[in-house]
Amino acid sequence: NAGVTQTPKFRILKIGQSMTLQCTQDMNHNYMYWYRQDPGMGLKLIYYSVGAGITDKGEVPNGYNVSRSTTEDFPLRLELAAPSQTSVYFCASSYIIAGVNEQFFGPGTRLTVL
Amino acid sequence: EDQVTQSPEALRLQEGESSSLNCSYTVSGLRGLFWYRQDPGKGPEFLFTLYSAGEEKEKERLKATLTKKESFLHITAPKPEDSATYLCAVQAGASGSRLTFGEGTQLTVNP
Repeated sequence: NAGVTQTPKFRILKIGQSMTLQCTQDMNHNYMYWYRQDPGMGLKLIYYSVGAGITDKGEVPNGYNVSRSTTEDFPLRLELAAPSQTSVYFCASSYIIAGVNEQFFGPGTRLTVL
Repeated sequence: EDQVTQSPEALRLQEGESSSLNCSYTVSGLRGLFWYRQDPGKGPEFLFTLYSAGEEKEKERLKATLTKKESFLHITAPKPEDSATYLCAVQAGASGSRLTFGEGTQLTVNP
């Protein structure tokens, strides 16, 4: 299994541009998540999904959108990129064991907005 | 609101010098506490899940313990390859599947 894969690994955007960060998992996990990590900070939840067609906001959703049309894919859309969105973005997926959520992470996308 | 505080922010050890990292938490109805390791430029790598106070788990030189208010990650006789940032996260009953992460402890082990 490849686990959780993310593309691209790096990207530079100009202010106002848009892009989609791709995330795919091959573990048949129902739950998927998008986080951002700023230098020296913990992970902040942007959006999450509990299954195909179901998404919900996390802690910092403003400026982002998501969709979940399949179990495997959970893309994150940035509209009108701003310098405040410069960060490292991690996608994660999980299964639930006895109600407890063990998440597995992708390698990340490093995004710079200039 | 769920809160997770990790200390120290950074820790520098000599190879073989054992120590502990702390994760203090405030949640309503803990379902699980998780430890992750993160290497520079990589995604977090899952290490342990602890479910209830008194539980302990071990993996190589790492041992995680849990009380009602905090968790410790004990590192015994560390090696340079143990250098990484260690993240703690909690899942609370009221938060469903969402995790709350601490800011991490950056561990450096010098040879």
